[in-house]
Amino acid sequence: NAGVTQTPKFRILKIGQSMTLQCAQDMNHNYMYWYRQDPGMGLKLIYYSVGAGITDKGEVPNGYNVSRSTTEDFPLRLELAAPSQTSVYFCASSLRGTPLYGYTFGSGTRLTVV
Amino acid sequence: GQQLNQSPQSMFIQEGEDVSMNCTSSSIFNTWLWYKQDPGEGPVLLIALYKAGELTSNGRLTAQFGITRKDSFLNISASIPSDVGIYFCAGGNYGGSQGNLIFGKGTKLSVKP
Repeated sequence: NAGVTQTPKFRILKIGQSMTLQCAQDMNHNYMYWYRQDPGMGLKLIYYSVGAGITDKGEVPNGYNVSRSTTEDFPLRLELAAPSQTSVYFCASSLRGTPLYGYTFGSGTRLTVV
Repeated sequence: GQQLNQSPQSMFIQEGEDVSMNCTSSSIFNTWLWYKQDPGEGPVLLIALYKAGELTSNGRLTAQFGITRKDSFLNISASIPSDVGIYFCAGGNYGGSQGNLIFGKGTKLSVKP
């Protein structure tokens, strides 16, 4: 099993450009999450989804959008990139909506906005 | 919102030394998790704790769920170079809203051979 796959691994965007960060999992997990990681700041939840067709905001959703049309995929969209969105983005999934199972993380997308 | 205070922020130790780090919360959790993040990779689950007072080991790693349910501790014995990375604590409540985890800011561990 591939687990959680994120693409691309690296990306440089110019201010105002848009892009989609892809996330796919093959574990049939219902719950999926997007986090951003800034140096020394830990992981901040951007958006999460409890199943196909259902998404909700996390702690830092401004400037981002998500969709969940299938169980497997949970793309994160940046519409107007800003320097403040320079970060490492992690997608994660879990079997159920309980921390008993922990989360499985992807290997991350490092985004730089210049 | 809920916050976790994780300390120390960073550690520089000699190979073979033991390591201790901890995490405290302003609110109660019924689940504590410890993750390790290798450079350039996503966090990987090391240990999960589900009961106050619980002590759980995974090889050279031992973690404890504090009896107040507001803290947790991770110890690494006889450190080796591959222990290098960032260690994150995470707290959550099963039965709560979507089971979202709250993460600490991480402890960056460096090991000198």
